[in-house]
Amino acid sequence: QVHLVQSGADVKKPGASVKLSCKASGYAFTKYALHWVRQAPGQRLEWMGWIIPDSGDRKYSETLQGRITITRDTSSTTLYMELHSLTSEDTAIYYCAREGGYMYRYSFDFWGQGTLVTVSS
Amino acid sequence: EIVLTQSPGTLSLSPGDSASLSCRASQTISGNYVAWYQQMPGQAPRLLIYGASNRATGIPDRFSGSGSGTDFTLIVSRLEPEDFAVYHCHQYGASPPTFGQGTKLEIK
Repeated sequence: QVHLVQSGADVKKPGASVKLSCKASGYAFTKYALHWVRQAPGQRLEWMGWIIPDSGDRKYSETLQGRITITRDTSSTTLYMELHSLTSEDTAIYYCAREGGYMYRYSFDFWGQGTLVTVSS
Repeated sequence: EIVLTQSPGTLSLSPGDSASLSCRASQTISGNYVAWYQQMPGQAPRLLIYGASNRATGIPDRFSGSGSGTDFTLIVSRLEPEDFAVYHCHQYGASPPTFGQGTKLEIK
Protein backbone atom coordinates (compact mmCIF):
# COMPACT_ATOMS: atom_id res chain seq x y z
CA GLN A 1 0.00 0.00 0.00
CA VAL A 2 1.47 3.30 -1.12
CA HIS A 3 2.00 5.89 1.60
CA LEU A 4 3.53 9.35 1.50
CA VAL A 5 3.98 10.72 5.02
CA GLN A 6 5.05 14.33 5.38
CA SER A 7 6.76 16.19 8.17
CA GLY A 8 4.79 18.32 10.60
CA ALA A 9 3.60 21.90 10.47
CA ASP A 10 6.16 24.67 10.72
CA VAL A 11 6.22 28.40 11.44
CA LYS A 12 8.97 30.55 9.97
CA LYS A 13 9.90 34.20 9.99
CA PRO A 14 10.19 36.17 6.76
CA GLY A 15 13.56 35.64 5.13
CA ALA A 16 14.07 32.22 6.67
CA SER A 17 14.22 28.86 4.92
CA VAL A 18 12.10 25.75 5.44
CA LYS A 19 12.89 22.14 4.63
CA LEU A 20 10.04 19.64 4.36
CA SER A 21 10.25 15.89 4.09
CA CYS A 22 8.03 13.22 2.55
CA LYS A 23 8.66 9.59 3.47
CA ALA A 24 7.53 7.16 0.77
CA SER A 25 6.66 3.51 1.35
CA GLY A 26 4.79 0.64 -0.24
CA TYR A 27 6.29 0.85 -3.72
CA ALA A 28 9.60 0.96 -5.59
CA PHE A 29 10.80 4.46 -4.71
CA THR A 30 13.05 4.94 -7.72
CA LYS A 31 10.43 3.99 -10.29
CA TYR A 32 8.11 7.01 -10.00
CA ALA A 33 8.68 10.75 -10.26
CA LEU A 34 7.75 12.82 -7.24
CA HIS A 35 6.36 16.32 -7.20
CA TRP A 36 5.75 19.13 -4.75
CA VAL A 37 2.50 21.08 -5.00
CA ARG A 38 1.31 23.87 -2.70
CA GLN A 39 -2.03 25.45 -1.93
CA ALA A 40 -2.11 28.95 -0.49
CA PRO A 41 -5.29 30.06 1.30
CA GLY A 42 -8.05 30.60 -1.25
CA GLN A 43 -5.73 29.89 -4.18
CA ARG A 44 -5.50 27.12 -6.71
CA LEU A 45 -3.03 24.29 -6.42
CA GLU A 46 0.39 25.39 -7.62
CA TRP A 47 3.01 23.02 -9.00
CA MET A 48 6.45 23.70 -7.55
CA GLY A 49 8.78 21.15 -9.04
CA TRP A 50 9.62 17.50 -9.46
CA ILE A 51 12.42 14.99 -9.21
CA ILE A 52 13.11 11.61 -10.77
CA PRO A 53 14.36 9.61 -7.77
CA ASP A 54 16.39 7.20 -9.90
CA SER A 55 18.55 9.73 -11.69
CA GLY A 56 18.11 12.77 -9.47
CA ASP A 57 17.05 14.87 -12.47
CA ARG A 58 14.77 17.67 -11.39
CA LYS A 59 12.82 20.59 -12.74
CA TYR A 60 11.42 23.62 -10.93
CA SER A 61 8.66 26.12 -11.49
CA GLU A 62 10.02 29.25 -13.15
CA THR A 63 8.41 31.40 -10.48
CA LEU A 64 10.32 29.55 -7.73
CA GLN A 65 13.57 28.95 -9.59
CA GLY A 66 16.45 30.09 -7.45
CA ARG A 67 14.56 29.69 -4.17
CA ILE A 68 13.65 26.00 -4.25
CA THR A 69 15.71 22.84 -3.95
CA ILE A 70 14.23 19.35 -4.26
CA THR A 71 16.34 16.38 -3.22
CA ARG A 72 15.84 12.76 -2.33
CA ASP A 73 17.53 10.07 -0.29
CA THR A 74 17.03 6.72 -1.98
CA SER A 75 18.36 4.79 1.01
CA SER A 76 15.60 6.13 3.25
CA THR A 77 13.04 6.60 0.42
CA THR A 78 12.53 10.17 1.50
CA LEU A 79 11.85 13.24 -0.61
CA TYR A 80 12.81 16.74 0.53
CA MET A 81 11.93 20.26 -0.48
CA GLU A 82 13.74 23.34 0.74
CA LEU A 83 12.40 26.83 0.10
CA HIS A 84 14.51 29.88 0.83
CA SER A 85 13.87 33.61 1.42
CA LEU A 86 10.36 32.99 2.68
CA THR A 87 7.70 35.70 2.55
CA SER A 88 4.10 35.76 3.74
CA GLU A 89 3.08 34.68 0.23
CA ASP A 90 4.72 31.32 0.90
CA THR A 91 2.19 30.57 3.63
CA ALA A 92 0.45 27.47 2.29
CA ILE A 93 -0.16 23.77 2.65
CA TYR A 94 2.61 21.89 0.89
CA TYR A 95 1.95 18.47 -0.62
CA CYS A 96 4.22 15.84 -2.05
CA ALA A 97 2.63 13.74 -4.77
CA ARG A 98 3.64 10.68 -6.76
CA GLU A 99 3.32 10.84 -10.52
CA GLY A 100 1.67 7.67 -11.76
CA GLY A 101 3.68 7.49 -14.97
CA TYR A 102 2.29 6.89 -18.45
CA MET A 103 -0.18 4.32 -17.08
CA TYR A 104 -1.93 7.17 -15.28
CA ARG A 105 -1.18 9.70 -18.02
CA TYR A 106 1.22 11.48 -15.66
CA SER A 107 -1.47 12.37 -13.16
CA PHE A 108 -0.70 12.39 -9.45
CA ASP A 109 -2.02 9.11 -8.11
CA PHE A 110 -0.93 9.39 -4.48
CA TRP A 111 -0.52 12.43 -2.26
CA GLY A 112 1.00 13.11 1.12
CA GLN A 113 -1.25 14.43 3.86
CA GLY A 114 0.09 17.96 3.51
CA THR A 115 2.27 20.20 5.66
CA LEU A 116 1.14 23.66 6.74
CA VAL A 117 3.90 26.23 6.57
CA THR A 118 3.11 29.61 8.09
CA VAL A 119 5.39 32.57 7.44
CA SER A 120 4.88 35.29 9.99
CA SER A 121 6.92 37.82 11.88
CA GLU B 1 1.71 28.09 -19.38
CA ILE B 2 -1.72 26.56 -19.90
CA VAL B 3 -4.40 28.25 -17.81
CA LEU B 4 -7.31 26.08 -16.71
CA THR B 5 -10.64 27.74 -15.95
CA GLN B 6 -13.24 25.75 -14.08
CA SER B 7 -16.93 26.51 -13.98
CA PRO B 8 -19.07 27.00 -12.12
CA GLY B 9 -17.19 28.22 -9.07
CA THR B 10 -19.83 26.75 -6.80
CA LEU B 11 -22.54 24.23 -7.62
CA SER B 12 -25.44 23.72 -5.20
CA LEU B 13 -27.24 20.43 -5.64
CA SER B 14 -29.10 17.81 -3.63
CA PRO B 15 -28.19 14.18 -3.01
CA GLY B 16 -29.44 12.09 -5.91
CA ASP B 17 -28.87 14.91 -8.44
CA SER B 18 -26.24 14.84 -11.16
CA ALA B 19 -23.40 17.35 -11.34
CA SER B 20 -21.60 18.59 -14.43
CA LEU B 21 -18.28 20.36 -13.88
CA SER B 22 -16.39 22.10 -16.66
CA CYS B 23 -12.67 22.69 -17.18
CA ARG B 24 -11.57 24.84 -20.10
CA ALA B 25 -7.94 25.21 -21.15
CA SER B 26 -6.29 28.24 -22.72
CA GLN B 27 -4.55 25.95 -25.25
CA THR B 28 -5.08 22.46 -26.58
CA ILE B 29 -3.88 19.86 -24.11
CA SER B 30 -1.83 17.26 -25.93
CA GLY B 31 -2.61 13.61 -25.31
CA ASN B 32 -5.70 14.59 -23.31
CA TYR B 33 -3.47 14.53 -20.25
CA VAL B 34 -6.17 15.87 -17.96
CA ALA B 35 -6.96 14.64 -14.48
CA TRP B 36 -9.66 15.39 -11.96
CA TYR B 37 -9.17 15.32 -8.20
CA GLN B 38 -11.58 15.44 -5.29
CA GLN B 39 -10.55 17.34 -2.17
CA MET B 40 -12.43 17.04 1.10
CA PRO B 41 -11.94 19.74 3.76
CA GLY B 42 -8.61 19.35 5.51
CA GLN B 43 -7.50 16.52 3.24
CA ALA B 44 -5.18 16.08 0.31
CA PRO B 45 -6.56 15.81 -3.21
CA ARG B 46 -7.59 12.33 -4.38
CA LEU B 47 -7.24 11.20 -7.97
CA LEU B 48 -10.60 10.46 -9.61
CA ILE B 49 -10.04 10.59 -13.36
CA TYR B 50 -6.88 10.48 -15.49
CA GLY B 51 -6.33 10.75 -19.21
CA ALA B 52 -9.57 12.77 -19.37
CA SER B 53 -11.87 9.73 -19.12
CA ASN B 54 -10.27 6.90 -17.14
CA ARG B 55 -11.39 6.23 -13.59
CA ALA B 56 -8.66 5.70 -11.04
CA THR B 57 -8.58 2.56 -8.95
CA GLY B 58 -11.52 2.28 -6.56
CA ILE B 59 -13.46 5.21 -7.98
CA PRO B 60 -17.18 4.43 -8.40
CA ASP B 61 -18.68 4.49 -11.88
CA ARG B 62 -20.86 7.43 -10.80
CA PHE B 63 -17.81 9.51 -11.72
CA SER B 64 -17.12 9.95 -15.41
CA GLY B 65 -14.84 12.22 -17.39
CA SER B 66 -14.95 13.31 -20.99
CA GLY B 67 -13.58 15.88 -23.38
CA SER B 68 -10.66 16.63 -25.63
CA GLY B 69 -8.64 19.54 -26.90
CA THR B 70 -9.53 22.46 -24.65
CA ASP B 71 -12.85 21.41 -23.11
CA PHE B 72 -13.18 18.77 -20.43
CA THR B 73 -16.07 17.70 -18.22
CA LEU B 74 -16.50 15.73 -15.03
CA ILE B 75 -19.95 14.25 -14.42
CA VAL B 76 -20.95 12.98 -11.00
CA SER B 77 -24.22 11.05 -11.19
CA ARG B 78 -26.57 10.17 -8.35
CA LEU B 79 -24.80 12.40 -5.84
CA GLU B 80 -24.01 10.82 -2.50
CA PRO B 81 -23.45 12.89 0.67
CA GLU B 82 -19.71 12.12 0.52
CA ASP B 83 -19.43 13.63 -2.97
CA PHE B 84 -19.85 17.18 -1.71
CA ALA B 85 -16.32 18.52 -1.90
CA VAL B 86 -14.01 20.65 -4.04
CA TYR B 87 -13.00 19.30 -7.46
CA HIS B 88 -9.83 20.32 -9.28
CA CYS B 89 -8.83 19.71 -12.86
CA HIS B 90 -5.16 19.32 -13.77
CA GLN B 91 -3.25 19.21 -17.03
CA TYR B 92 0.11 17.66 -17.66
CA GLY B 93 0.16 17.83 -21.43
CA ALA B 94 2.55 20.74 -21.27
CA SER B 95 5.08 21.92 -18.74
CA PRO B 96 4.53 23.30 -16.21
CA PRO B 97 1.65 21.22 -14.92
CA THR B 98 -1.24 23.49 -13.97
CA PHE B 99 -4.49 23.26 -12.04
CA GLY B 100 -7.88 24.88 -12.28
CA GLN B 101 -9.15 27.10 -9.52
CA GLY B 102 -11.57 24.44 -8.31
CA THR B 103 -15.33 23.92 -8.25
CA LYS B 104 -17.02 23.60 -4.89
CA LEU B 105 -19.91 21.15 -4.93
CA GLU B 106 -22.16 21.97 -2.00
CA ILE B 107 -25.39 20.58 -0.61
CA LYS B 108 -28.41 22.63 -1.55
